[in-house]
Amino acid sequence: EDQVTQSPEALRLQEGESSSLNCSYTVSGLRGLFWYRQDPGKGPEFLFTLYSAGEEKEKERLKATLTKKESFLHITAPKPEDSATYLCAVQADRGSTLGRLYFGRGTQLTVWP
Amino acid sequence: GAGVSQSPSNKVTEKGKDVELRCDPISGHTALYWYRQSLGQGLEFLIYFQGNSAPDKSGLPSDRFSAERTGGSVSTLTIQRTQQEDSAVYLCASSLELAYGTGRTLAKNIQYFGAGTRLSVL
Repeated sequence: EDQVTQSPEALRLQEGESSSLNCSYTVSGLRGLFWYRQDPGKGPEFLFTLYSAGEEKEKERLKATLTKKESFLHITAPKPEDSATYLCAVQADRGSTLGRLYFGRGTQLTVWP
Repeated sequence: GAGVSQSPSNKVTEKGKDVELRCDPISGHTALYWYRQSLGQGLEFLIYFQGNSAPDKSGLPSDRFSAERTGGSVSTLTIQRTQQEDSAVYLCASSLELAYGTGRTLAKNIQYFGAGTRLSVL
């Protein structure tokens, strides 16, 4: 069974304190891994997609990396506006289910001044 | 519009009533997806459309749930005889297409989400 597990469930950081969020997955035939950010009362906002082990993507203070079993979202010198829930999702390489994303439960990040 | 539009943003209904939720995808996007997000749970896949056809309906939780898409654009998710456990945020997403290639071709699969419809069943 395909599974996506995110850790920690919640993370509190002081402004400027760098850290990493983890997403481990078990899926038969990974086609892509996706990171989203979700603010309260809003839909998920796309951040990154990664396709193959060793790949890295960066955007401002965020950097996503991918191995064969997990992905990390590194946050460098976070600011309070980075506070949100970060969601990880995978797309499996299987016929009719290609369209579905399997989501983890997310990491709720709080950055305080 | 620029993004995925969902309506209504909030819906309160009584147990046993039928509800319809609407999704208007990004212009030019051929694939459309429905998810459900319950309190404390992750996003749960419901159904997706490629054009007007739905290759994967296996995520629909019961036969009270149905969805259609006409004209390759707007989609409606219908829940009949609503139950309290149906209370959740229903999210719609769209992607440029559903690509079967590899590498950068898969960028066309990126799903962009709307703000959701918060359904409360009393």
